[in-house]
Amino acid sequence: GAVVSQHPSRVICKSGTSVKIECRSLDFQATTMFWYRQFPKQSLMLMATSNEGSKATYEQGVEKDKFLINHASLTLSTLTVTSAHPEDSSFYICSARGVRSDYGYTFGSGTRLTVV
Amino acid sequence: QKEVEQNSGPLSVPEGAIASLNCTYSDRGSQSFFWYRQYSGKSPELIMFIYSNGDKEDGRFTAQLNKASQYVSLLIRDSQPSDSATYLCASPGQAGTALIFGKGTTLSVSS
Repeated sequence: GAVVSQHPSRVICKSGTSVKIECRSLDFQATTMFWYRQFPKQSLMLMATSNEGSKATYEQGVEKDKFLINHASLTLSTLTVTSAHPEDSSFYICSARGVRSDYGYTFGSGTRLTVV
Repeated sequence: QKEVEQNSGPLSVPEGAIASLNCTYSDRGSQSFFWYRQYSGKSPELIMFIYSNGDKEDGRFTAQLNKASQYVSLLIRDSQPSDSATYLCASPGQAGTALIFGKGTTLSVSS
């Protein structure tokens, strides 16, 4: 089945630094990548959608200069949280969709970001 | 704005019972629906998806879709303590776009 590898699984960083999260589709081409954020006891909130080779489309209220998304290839998408602050501490999850509809939506394992 | 609504629970059932999880959606044009299970601190894992009216069964799980009532449900038969998790209902905003998630229902199965 389709697999998305997400790294790191857990990261702690100091306030003001940047953190990069990677998602790789291992056995399919991810034409679209979705990035979600989940705060404790809340549901997944869509942050942005990126299509390979195009600029990401951000949801209302999500700062595109703070959450940089790159989807330069069909197998790799990255989310960089720039100048992280404690309020950015959250669970970040990517979801990939391939060309074939039967792959549906494949989720990465998530990244727990803690900003101290 | 398309919405997917779920009762947050918690829903508590004894081991071996049937757990019934419900979901309603606002957009009558929605075509596909997904049920995910999420354990605390983990990423969602797909249980089932359903496109057509009626029932779809997979092992102990049955998804039911009623487009006229804009209602989706998930039945879990012979519930096990390992089924204790949050169950998320989701539907794409438009075909191929991001999944819109409900808030999730927390299920607790007691042994």
